[in-house]
Amino acid sequence: GENVEQHPSTLSVQEGDSAVIKCTYSDSASNYFPWYKQELGKRPQLIIDIRSNVGEKKDQRIAVTLNKTAKHFSLHITETQPEDSAVYFCAAPYGGSTLGRLYFGRGTQLTVWP
Amino acid sequence: KAGVTQTPRYLIKTRGQQVTLSCSPISGHRSVSWYQQTPGQGLQFLFEYFSETQRNKGNFPGRFSGRQFSNSRSEMNVSTLELGDSALYLCASSSLRASYEQYFGPGTRLTVT
Repeated sequence: GENVEQHPSTLSVQEGDSAVIKCTYSDSASNYFPWYKQELGKRPQLIIDIRSNVGEKKDQRIAVTLNKTAKHFSLHITETQPEDSAVYFCAAPYGGSTLGRLYFGRGTQLTVWP
Repeated sequence: KAGVTQTPRYLIKTRGQQVTLSCSPISGHRSVSWYQQTPGQGLQFLFEYFSETQRNKGNFPGRFSGRQFSNSRSEMNVSTLELGDSALYLCASSSLRASYEQYFGPGTRLTVT
């Protein structure tokens, strides 16, 4: 199956700074890469995703970049705010499958200090 | 559209008992996937159902089973509960077009004592 590794496991930044979380995947056939945000006691929420036919996607303060050659993708959060504090998960489906099985990274606890 | 709902939200069971959890997907979504979330193992895939058929299964023992009804609602069952089954059980729904684009429910927090 797919193997998704995520780094760092914890990240602390000052409000207004940028945060970057990186993930690598093993299966070159993987073609969809979502990012989820999970606040304490809440459900994982899909915040952005990217498909393998593009290299970058932006949505306001968040962006995701994909390097298919190196098999890694990253989440970038600019102008961080305290409400960005949460656990962030990257994921990838099994190979090129469209079936509903996602492999998740172990998560990054992001803390934004005011 | 209403989001994914799960019932119950919290459950306390004793070792050896069985439990049934329920998930109602977003209206129009026909795929339902189940995940187990624990601090030690993270988010792990249990199984996926589409049109009342299990399409995909993760590496969990046979004590974990599920089913899906004609209205796309899904249930998962865990028999002979063990302490290690204590976890947050999340279901996620997705449309036919892209089953990997998943939206999660709030989860059921299961505690086994």
